[in-house]
Amino acid sequence: QQQVKQSPQSLIVQKGGISIINCAYENTAFDYFPWYQQFPGKGPALLIAIRPDVSEKKEGRFTISFNKSAKQFSLHIMDSQPGDSATYFCAGRDNYGQNFVFGPGTRLSVLP
Amino acid sequence: DTGVSQDPRHKITKRGQNVTFRCDPISEHNRLYWYRQTLGQGPEFLTYFQNEAQLEKSRLLSDRFSAERPKGSFSTLEIQRTEQGDSAMYLCASSLVQVAGELFFGEGSRLTVL
Repeated sequence: QQQVKQSPQSLIVQKGGISIINCAYENTAFDYFPWYQQFPGKGPALLIAIRPDVSEKKEGRFTISFNKSAKQFSLHIMDSQPGDSATYFCAGRDNYGQNFVFGPGTRLSVLP
Repeated sequence: DTGVSQDPRHKITKRGQNVTFRCDPISEHNRLYWYRQTLGQGPEFLTYFQNEAQLEKSRLLSDRFSAERPKGSFSTLEIQRTEQGDSAMYLCASSLVQVAGELFFGEGSRLTVL
C-alpha cells in the first residue's frame, strides 16, 4: 500500500515539446504529492508539489494535474528544454508517518 | 548556509567492515531524513528525526543500521558488518516541521562494498 508507481521509465522529447510523466499511488493516507528533479551526481531537488484538495497547480513551464478519485497525478513540462534533461521522481507523503514514498523515477532526455 | 552537507561523498569498504556517514542539515531545520538510493531507483526511506528524537524507522533498516542525531544537530548513519547489498547512495535530507513538505537533500554518500 506504500508503493508509488511511475511511468514511463524513460522519455525522449524534442526541444519545445511537452513532457508528460504519470504516477499512481495506493495509500489513501498520502496528503502531499511533490515532484523532485535529480541531475547526475546531485541530490533530488523539489520542483513542484500539490495537495490532494487541488486538481491542478502550475508554476512556470511545470504543471501538476491531480485526480484524487483515480489516485493518479502527472507532471507536464511545457516547452521542454535540453536543460530539463534529468531524472524526475514523484512522491507521496504519509500523513501519519510523515515519511515520503518515492516512485522509481523517469529519465527525461530533451533533444536539442 | 550552503545547504545539506554529507561526508564522505564516497566510501569504498570491504565486506564485513563498519562504515559511518555524517549529515549536517540546514541549521534551522528540525527534521532530518535518511534515504537510500540504488541505481535506477527512487530514494527509499530509512529513518527520520525530529530534533533529537528518532520518530520512525523503515523495515529496511536492519539491526546492522543505526542512526543518531545527538542534540538535534548533525546526524550519523552507521552500518555494521557491511554486505555487498548495502552498496548504494545514502541521501540525507532536512526540512522544517512547518514546511514539512519540502525536503532539502544533500548530494549523498556513495557506498561501495567490495
